[in-house]
Amino acid sequence: EPEVTQTPSHQVTQMGQEVILRCVPISNHLYFYWYRQILGQKVEFLVSFYNNEISEKSEIFDDQFSVERPDGSNFTLKIRSTKLEDSAMYFCASSQGWTNEKLFFGSGTQLSVL
Amino acid sequence: GEDVEQSLFLSVREGDSSVINCTYTDSSSTYLYWYKQEPGAGLQLLTYIFSNMDMKQDQRLTVLLNKKDKHLSLRIADTQTGDSAIYFCAESIHAGNNRKLIWGLGTSLAVNP
Repeated sequence: EPEVTQTPSHQVTQMGQEVILRCVPISNHLYFYWYRQILGQKVEFLVSFYNNEISEKSEIFDDQFSVERPDGSNFTLKIRSTKLEDSAMYFCASSQGWTNEKLFFGSGTQLSVL
Repeated sequence: GEDVEQSLFLSVREGDSSVINCTYTDSSSTYLYWYKQEPGAGLQLLTYIFSNMDMKQDQRLTVLLNKKDKHLSLRIADTQTGDSAIYFCAESIHAGNNRKLIWGLGTSLAVNP
């Protein structure tokens, strides 16, 4: 079965550094998402992306965050200057269409900011 | 605001049925989901139900939806040790021209031999 893949599985960085989390969505999917889960808290929506632009973003997704689809297969989340509170598991997801009920998630990138 | 609540822990014996419950607040939700997360793994879509349905069965899984009470449940028949995991309830709501999932905290299911 096709799957969403994320790299790296773990990322350790120093506070203030930039990180790029990478995702390869399922190939015929058109809608892409980032969610995150801080340890012990609920999974939170960050951003949705369609047709090469952001469709919706949460209040968490401030100017330090950006997303990009640099080519036909990758979907990236960049955090420009990481803070301690950015430490979380970041999940990428994709779906075929807006009304498509199946939203598939990758296995996540555990980001640790020291 | 939108919120999804579920109990944190459930312990059952192998072979018994497990029932995981969830409540949500947004009556405009379109789909409701159950995801499974095994240790060190990602979020695996288990099953989902459209908001105009009240039941869906998929092999050992039965989803019941009471839209009036905003209550969703997942029943796992003949629970196996391999079912031990965290089960997340999530509702899909409109967000601009797209949609987003609102998640519960997850129910940790322990299956004892």
